[in-house]
Amino acid sequence: DSGVTQTPKHLITATGQRVTLRCSPRSGDLSVYWYQQSLDQGLQFLIQYYNGEERAKGNILERFSAQQFPDLHSELNLSSLELGDSALYFCASSVTGLSYNEQFFGPGTRLTVL
Amino acid sequence: DQQVKQNSPSLSVQEGRISILNCDYTNSMFDYFLWYKKYPAEGPTFLISISSIKDKNEDGRFTVFLNKSAKHLSLHIVPSQPGDSAVYFCAASAPGAGSYQLTFGKGTKLSVIP
Repeated sequence: DSGVTQTPKHLITATGQRVTLRCSPRSGDLSVYWYQQSLDQGLQFLIQYYNGEERAKGNILERFSAQQFPDLHSELNLSSLELGDSALYFCASSVTGLSYNEQFFGPGTRLTVL
Repeated sequence: DQQVKQNSPSLSVQEGRISILNCDYTNSMFDYFLWYKKYPAEGPTFLISISSIKDKNEDGRFTVFLNKSAKHLSLHIVPSQPGDSAVYFCAASAPGAGSYQLTFGKGTKLSVIP
């Protein structure tokens, strides 16, 4: 158990809908990262938050957004869903995200868009 | 453009033998490299890392070798055990804009045969 929790574990929805994925980092970790793993792909970095502020953006679509709350949990919002958004979404946390710290990953949320 | 490549999607090894997993990268700005192990239905788990100022790092049965001139790293597992059967991801990080997000390869599925 990495100490990172993600809810829900599975999510099935229809095209055009909007969903919210939730992540709670390890106790004491200030930085949260979101990654997407599509079929036969490695994990693709989406976005990073550090202590409530956006730190870096990767290959995140404009239909996707995220935020980190004062209690440090984070939410990833996916809207106008398309079939191609079906993937595993992982959240990771690290102590600071400002240096080379190990990232601890949650178990992921599997999103299926029908 | 894939900056981190794991060209072998799968590898089978006999129990007790050495497993060698390879990874190539193209971005010369990468200066920190990590290996993660992933079991089905779980998030990736950190295994071992290496800074670009070193060419080898050992942790028990796991050794990572880095050849900067060839932009190549490898993970050696000796001796291999059935519990090592998992997908192994190579990841790299580059300093920049205050973020240390990881760029992942697509993974190599290791099967250790008893």
